[in-house]
Amino acid sequence: QSVLTQPPSVSAAPGQKVTISCSGSSSNIGNNYVSWYQQLPGTAPKLLIYESDKRPSGIPDRFSGSKSGTSATLGITGLQTGDEADYYCATWDSNLSVVVFGGGTKLTVL
Amino acid sequence: QVYLVESGGGVVQPGTSLRLSCAASGFRFSGHGMHWVRQAAGKGLEGVAIIRHDGRKSWYADSVKGRFTISRDNSKNTLFLQMNSLRAEDTGLYFCVRDGYDNWGGLDVWGQGTTVTVSS
Repeated sequence: QSVLTQPPSVSAAPGQKVTISCSGSSSNIGNNYVSWYQQLPGTAPKLLIYESDKRPSGIPDRFSGSKSGTSATLGITGLQTGDEADYYCATWDSNLSVVVFGGGTKLTVL
Repeated sequence: QVYLVESGGGVVQPGTSLRLSCAASGFRFSGHGMHWVRQAAGKGLEGVAIIRHDGRKSWYADSVKGRFTISRDNSKNTLFLQMNSLRAEDTGLYFCVRDGYDNWGGLDVWGQGTTVTVSS
Protein backbone atom coordinates (compact mmCIF):
# COMPACT_ATOMS: atom_id res chain seq x y z
CA GLN A 1 0.00 0.00 0.00
CA SER A 2 1.41 3.37 -1.08
CA VAL A 3 2.05 6.26 1.29
CA LEU A 4 0.45 8.61 -1.23
CA THR A 5 -3.07 7.84 -2.45
CA GLN A 6 -4.08 8.25 -6.08
CA PRO A 7 -7.20 7.04 -7.89
CA PRO A 8 -6.40 3.84 -9.81
CA SER A 9 -7.90 5.16 -13.02
CA VAL A 10 -9.46 8.19 -14.67
CA SER A 11 -10.90 8.68 -18.12
CA ALA A 12 -12.15 11.46 -20.35
CA ALA A 13 -12.80 12.18 -24.00
CA PRO A 14 -10.30 13.78 -26.38
CA GLY A 15 -10.18 17.54 -25.95
CA GLN A 16 -11.59 17.41 -22.44
CA LYS A 17 -9.90 18.11 -19.11
CA VAL A 18 -9.01 15.65 -16.36
CA THR A 19 -7.58 15.99 -12.87
CA ILE A 20 -5.64 13.40 -10.89
CA SER A 21 -5.48 13.72 -7.12
CA CYS A 22 -2.70 12.71 -4.76
CA SER A 23 -3.39 12.60 -1.05
CA GLY A 24 -0.79 12.37 1.69
CA SER A 25 -0.04 13.71 5.14
CA SER A 26 1.86 16.40 7.00
CA SER A 27 5.04 14.30 6.92
CA ASN A 28 5.12 14.26 3.15
CA ILE A 29 2.96 16.47 0.91
CA GLY A 30 2.06 18.84 3.72
CA ASN A 31 5.64 20.05 4.13
CA ASN A 32 7.43 19.16 0.92
CA TYR A 33 7.31 19.71 -2.82
CA VAL A 34 5.30 17.37 -5.02
CA SER A 35 6.41 16.15 -8.44
CA TRP A 36 4.44 14.35 -11.14
CA TYR A 37 5.57 11.78 -13.70
CA GLN A 38 4.11 10.33 -16.87
CA GLN A 39 4.97 6.76 -17.81
CA LEU A 40 3.99 5.69 -21.29
CA PRO A 41 3.76 1.93 -21.85
CA GLY A 42 7.16 0.29 -21.97
CA THR A 43 9.12 3.45 -21.21
CA ALA A 44 10.82 5.11 -18.26
CA PRO A 45 8.88 7.74 -16.30
CA LYS A 46 9.14 11.35 -17.44
CA LEU A 47 9.02 14.41 -15.19
CA LEU A 48 5.94 16.54 -15.87
CA ILE A 49 5.77 18.84 -12.84
CA TYR A 50 8.43 19.75 -10.29
CA GLU A 51 8.30 21.82 -7.10
CA SER A 52 4.53 21.25 -7.01
CA ASP A 53 3.57 23.62 -9.82
CA LYS A 54 6.45 24.15 -12.26
CA ARG A 55 6.86 22.63 -15.70
CA PRO A 56 10.28 21.57 -17.06
CA SER A 57 11.16 22.97 -20.44
CA GLY A 58 9.45 21.04 -23.20
CA ILE A 59 6.38 20.11 -21.17
CA PRO A 60 3.30 21.75 -22.74
CA ASP A 61 1.17 24.09 -20.65
CA ARG A 62 -1.71 21.62 -20.99
CA PHE A 63 -0.16 20.04 -17.90
CA SER A 64 -0.44 21.86 -14.57
CA GLY A 65 0.19 21.08 -10.93
CA SER A 66 -1.10 22.47 -7.67
CA LYS A 67 -0.84 21.71 -3.97
CA SER A 68 -3.05 22.54 -1.04
CA GLY A 69 -2.43 21.27 2.47
CA THR A 70 -1.74 17.54 2.31
CA SER A 71 -3.08 17.03 -1.21
CA ALA A 72 -1.86 17.74 -4.71
CA THR A 73 -3.50 17.72 -8.11
CA LEU A 74 -2.30 17.19 -11.67
CA GLY A 75 -4.45 18.78 -14.35
CA ILE A 76 -4.38 17.92 -18.04
CA THR A 77 -6.39 19.95 -20.55
CA GLY A 78 -7.00 19.36 -24.24
CA LEU A 79 -6.62 15.61 -23.81
CA GLN A 80 -4.98 13.69 -26.63
CA THR A 81 -4.80 9.97 -27.27
CA GLY A 82 -1.06 10.25 -26.77
CA ASP A 83 -1.70 11.24 -23.14
CA GLU A 84 -2.82 7.70 -22.33
CA ALA A 85 -0.31 6.62 -19.70
CA ASP A 86 0.24 5.95 -16.04
CA TYR A 87 0.73 9.06 -13.89
CA TYR A 88 2.55 9.11 -10.55
CA CYS A 89 2.93 11.72 -7.84
CA ALA A 90 5.96 11.76 -5.57
CA THR A 91 7.38 13.68 -2.63
CA TRP A 92 9.85 13.44 0.23
CA ASP A 93 8.57 11.84 3.43
CA SER A 94 10.21 13.37 6.48
CA ASN A 95 9.31 10.43 8.74
CA LEU A 96 10.47 7.69 6.39
CA SER A 97 13.43 9.72 5.05
CA VAL A 98 12.81 8.49 1.53
CA VAL A 99 11.09 9.66 -1.65
CA VAL A 100 7.61 8.14 -1.76
CA PHE A 101 5.38 7.62 -4.77
CA GLY A 102 1.65 7.33 -5.22
CA GLY A 103 0.29 4.04 -6.50
CA GLY A 104 -0.22 5.49 -9.97
CA THR A 105 -3.26 6.48 -12.00
CA LYS A 106 -4.02 5.03 -15.41
CA LEU A 107 -5.42 7.66 -17.76
CA THR A 108 -7.66 6.48 -20.56
CA VAL A 109 -8.62 8.88 -23.33
CA LEU A 110 -11.87 7.49 -24.64
CA GLN B 1 22.63 15.28 -24.16
CA VAL B 2 22.13 13.96 -20.67
CA TYR B 3 22.26 10.20 -20.29
CA LEU B 4 21.98 7.61 -17.55
CA VAL B 5 22.77 4.04 -18.55
CA GLU B 6 22.21 1.21 -16.08
CA SER B 7 23.89 -2.18 -16.17
CA GLY B 8 24.47 -5.21 -13.98
CA GLY B 9 21.00 -6.69 -13.82
CA GLY B 10 20.40 -10.40 -14.22
CA VAL B 11 18.83 -13.56 -12.89
CA VAL B 12 20.04 -14.63 -9.44
CA GLN B 13 18.97 -17.00 -6.69
CA PRO B 14 17.47 -15.83 -3.40
CA GLY B 15 20.07 -14.95 -0.81
CA THR B 16 22.74 -13.99 -3.33
CA SER B 17 24.16 -10.60 -4.31
CA LEU B 18 24.18 -8.32 -7.32
CA ARG B 19 25.80 -4.96 -8.06
CA LEU B 20 24.12 -2.47 -10.34
CA SER B 21 25.98 0.36 -12.04
CA CYS B 22 24.79 3.55 -13.69
CA ALA B 23 27.02 5.52 -16.05
CA ALA B 24 26.18 9.21 -16.25
CA SER B 25 27.13 11.58 -19.05
CA GLY B 26 26.29 15.03 -20.35
CA PHE B 27 26.08 16.82 -17.00
CA ARG B 28 28.09 17.58 -13.87
CA PHE B 29 27.49 14.33 -12.02
CA SER B 30 29.06 15.53 -8.77
CA GLY B 31 26.49 18.34 -8.56
CA HIS B 32 23.42 16.14 -8.22
CA GLY B 33 21.88 13.75 -5.73
CA MET B 34 21.08 10.40 -7.31
CA HIS B 35 18.38 7.81 -6.77
CA TRP B 36 17.59 4.20 -7.49
CA VAL B 37 13.88 3.63 -8.12
CA ARG B 38 12.43 0.21 -8.89
CA GLN B 39 9.27 -1.10 -10.48
CA ALA B 40 7.94 -4.64 -10.27
CA ALA B 41 6.21 -5.89 -13.41
CA GLY B 42 2.79 -4.30 -13.72
CA LYS B 43 3.23 -2.39 -10.46
CA GLY B 44 4.02 1.14 -9.35
CA LEU B 45 7.25 2.97 -8.61
CA GLU B 46 9.18 2.50 -5.37
CA GLY B 47 12.02 4.69 -4.19
CA VAL B 48 14.84 2.36 -3.10
CA ALA B 49 17.84 4.49 -2.19
CA ILE B 50 19.19 8.04 -2.45
CA ILE B 51 22.70 9.42 -2.18
CA ARG B 52 23.74 13.02 -1.72
CA HIS B 53 25.78 14.72 -4.42
CA ASP B 54 29.04 14.32 -2.46
CA GLY B 55 28.30 10.76 -1.37
CA ARG B 56 28.44 11.65 2.32
CA LYS B 57 24.83 10.80 3.13
CA SER B 58 22.37 8.20 1.92
CA TRP B 59 18.83 7.12 2.65
CA TYR B 60 17.03 3.81 2.12
CA ALA B 61 13.52 2.42 1.91
CA ASP B 62 12.68 0.21 4.89
CA SER B 63 12.26 -2.73 2.52
CA VAL B 64 15.98 -2.71 1.60
CA LYS B 65 17.61 -1.17 4.67
CA GLY B 66 20.54 -3.26 5.88
CA ARG B 67 20.69 -5.24 2.61
CA PHE B 68 21.33 -2.62 -0.10
CA THR B 69 24.09 -0.01 -0.25
CA ILE B 70 24.12 2.96 -2.61
CA SER B 71 27.45 4.54 -3.49
CA ARG B 72 29.02 6.71 -6.15
CA ASP B 73 32.35 7.47 -7.77
CA ASN B 74 32.26 11.09 -8.84
CA SER B 75 35.64 10.75 -10.55
CA LYS B 76 34.10 8.17 -12.89
CA ASN B 77 30.58 9.63 -13.09
CA THR B 78 29.15 6.35 -11.89
CA LEU B 79 26.43 5.37 -9.41
CA PHE B 80 26.23 1.94 -7.80
CA LEU B 81 23.73 -0.19 -5.93
CA GLN B 82 25.11 -3.17 -4.04
CA MET B 83 22.28 -5.58 -3.35
CA ASN B 84 22.85 -8.38 -0.83
CA SER B 85 20.57 -11.07 0.58
CA LEU B 86 18.28 -10.72 -2.39
CA ARG B 87 14.67 -11.80 -2.09
CA ALA B 88 11.99 -12.66 -4.63
CA GLU B 89 10.26 -9.37 -3.84
CA ASP B 90 13.34 -7.46 -5.04
CA THR B 91 12.54 -8.57 -8.59
CA GLY B 92 11.89 -5.67 -10.91
CA LEU B 93 13.20 -2.99 -13.22
CA TYR B 94 15.71 -0.74 -11.49
CA PHE B 95 16.00 2.86 -12.68
CA CYS B 96 18.92 5.19 -12.06
CA VAL B 97 17.51 8.70 -11.61
CA ARG B 98 18.94 12.19 -11.25
CA ASP B 99 17.69 14.55 -8.57
CA GLY B 100 17.15 17.72 -10.55
CA TYR B 101 16.22 20.29 -7.95
CA ASP B 102 16.92 21.31 -4.37
CA ASN B 103 14.77 20.04 -1.53
CA TRP B 104 13.55 16.94 -3.38
CA GLY B 105 11.80 19.10 -5.96
CA GLY B 106 11.74 16.50 -8.70
CA LEU B 107 13.58 13.68 -10.47
CA ASP B 108 14.36 15.04 -13.89
CA VAL B 109 16.46 12.43 -15.73
CA TRP B 110 15.73 8.69 -15.80
CA GLY B 111 17.70 5.85 -17.28
CA GLN B 112 15.98 3.06 -19.19
CA GLY B 113 16.45 0.60 -16.35
CA THR B 114 18.11 -2.74 -15.76
CA THR B 115 16.12 -5.86 -14.87
CA VAL B 116 16.75 -7.86 -11.72
CA THR B 117 15.10 -11.26 -11.35
CA VAL B 118 15.44 -13.16 -8.08
CA SER B 119 14.25 -16.71 -8.49
CA SER B 120 15.25 -20.21 -7.52
